Amino acid sequence: GQQVMQIPQYQHVQEGEDFTTYCNSSTTLSNIQWYKQRPGGHPVFLIQLVKSGEVKKQKRLTFQFGEAKKNSSLHITATQTTDVGTYFCAGRENDYKLSFGAGTTVTVRA
Amino acid sequence: SAVISQKPSRDICQRGTSLTIQCQVDSQVTMMFWYRQQPGQSLTLIATANQGSEATYESGFVIDKFPISRPNLTFSTLTVSNLSPEDSSIYLCSVGWDKNTGELFFGEGSRLTVL
Repeated sequence: GQQVMQIPQYQHVQEGEDFTTYCNSSTTLSNIQWYKQRPGGHPVFLIQLVKSGEVKKQKRLTFQFGEAKKNSSLHITATQTTDVGTYFCAGRENDYKLSFGAGTTVTVRA
Repeated sequence: SAVISQKPSRDICQRGTSLTIQCQVDSQVTMMFWYRQQPGQSLTLIATANQGSEATYESGFVIDKFPISRPNLTFSTLTVSNLSPEDSSIYLCSVGWDKNTGELFFGEGSRLTVL
């Protein structure tokens, strides 16, 4: 079945630095989504990417979908303490189900 | 958007007992899902709750252990039966999805601890 791998599992970042989390699927995806889960909270939708090579930005967050629609990345610039949490990618193949990656847990040192 | 109310938010149960989790949505939704999130882990889809018919279970999850009801388009329950400590997890109800963004909405989750 479909598998979505995500790295790194943990990211400890100095405030103000940039970081990237990567997602790879074993199969071609119809779309990919990104969610953020704050400690003790539930996943909250960030964005969906649908087109091959698509790039979307949300303030300091940049999301990319690979040309082959099998990988994606989330890049955060100038990390802030509000960026703390776990970031999940979730890929959808041909059906309606989302397969979540393992998540990247981000901690920030001031 | 959809507002999801999930109850209980947390519970502590004895092994061998069962826990039923309720999920109430503020609008009619077609797709409703139940996920499990074990401590420090990702989200694993348990099943899709289908209105008026049996739920569709993912590999590794069976109806006897995780019976699901969906009597209408706004409500569903998940029961975790014959509890063991390995069932200690967060169980999340989710509904989808926004027609424009594809967003999947999640309830606050039910944190289950089995002693």
